[in-house]
Amino acid sequence: QQKVQQSPESLTVSEGAMASLNCTFSDRSSDNFRWYRQHSGKGLEVLVSIFSDGEKEEGSFTAHLNRASLHVFLHIREPQPSDSALYLCAPEGTGGYKVVFGSGTRLLVSP
Amino acid sequence: DPKIIQKPKYLVAVTGSEKILICEQYLGHNAMYWYRQSAKKPLEFMFSYSYQKLMDNQTASSRFQPQSSKKNHLDLQITALKPDDSATYFCASSHLPGQGANTGQLYFGEGSKLTVL
Repeated sequence: QQKVQQSPESLTVSEGAMASLNCTFSDRSSDNFRWYRQHSGKGLEVLVSIFSDGEKEEGSFTAHLNRASLHVFLHIREPQPSDSALYLCAPEGTGGYKVVFGSGTRLLVSP
Repeated sequence: DPKIIQKPKYLVAVTGSEKILICEQYLGHNAMYWYRQSAKKPLEFMFSYSYQKLMDNQTASSRFQPQSSKKNHLDLQITALKPDDSATYFCASSHLPGQGANTGQLYFGEGSKLTVL
């Protein structure tokens, strides 16, 4: 069964400073990786999807996948206070109809 | 307009009672899911359905029963409620893996927050 771990558990950065989040997964045969964001009291929204090793950029969000090391990272460029939220990593593929999420990184962006 | 509608947004129940959480999606997806999120546990997969058939079930308790009357509906019936069932329950949908654009990408409703006293 897929195991997903995220670090750090919480992160505080100043507005405009780069934020870097880490996700480790256990199933190397996973084929798609997505980062989701959840604002307090809301549902999840997808930020960026990545399917092959390397980088994928969507606006201020960049995902970096390294299957060999079982890591997928999310970098947030010049975060704003409105980016304060819970960030969740979700590897897909082998689970078919089941997507397992990490426990998330709670990001706080201070003005 | 919200594309995944969950009702009710908030509900309070007493221990031992039964509640039904409603979910409808208008994204044309043919796979639907239920997830649960509480203060004690991260977002947790419960069920997946495709074409009104159960595809995966990770919920040990039979007190949780999904019900699908139409392809775009997936309700969740919870019986004999316990305080530990207090959580926010999220409905999600997607294209079937391997079909359509962004297959596998989940689209979430805003959740139904259940409090069991």
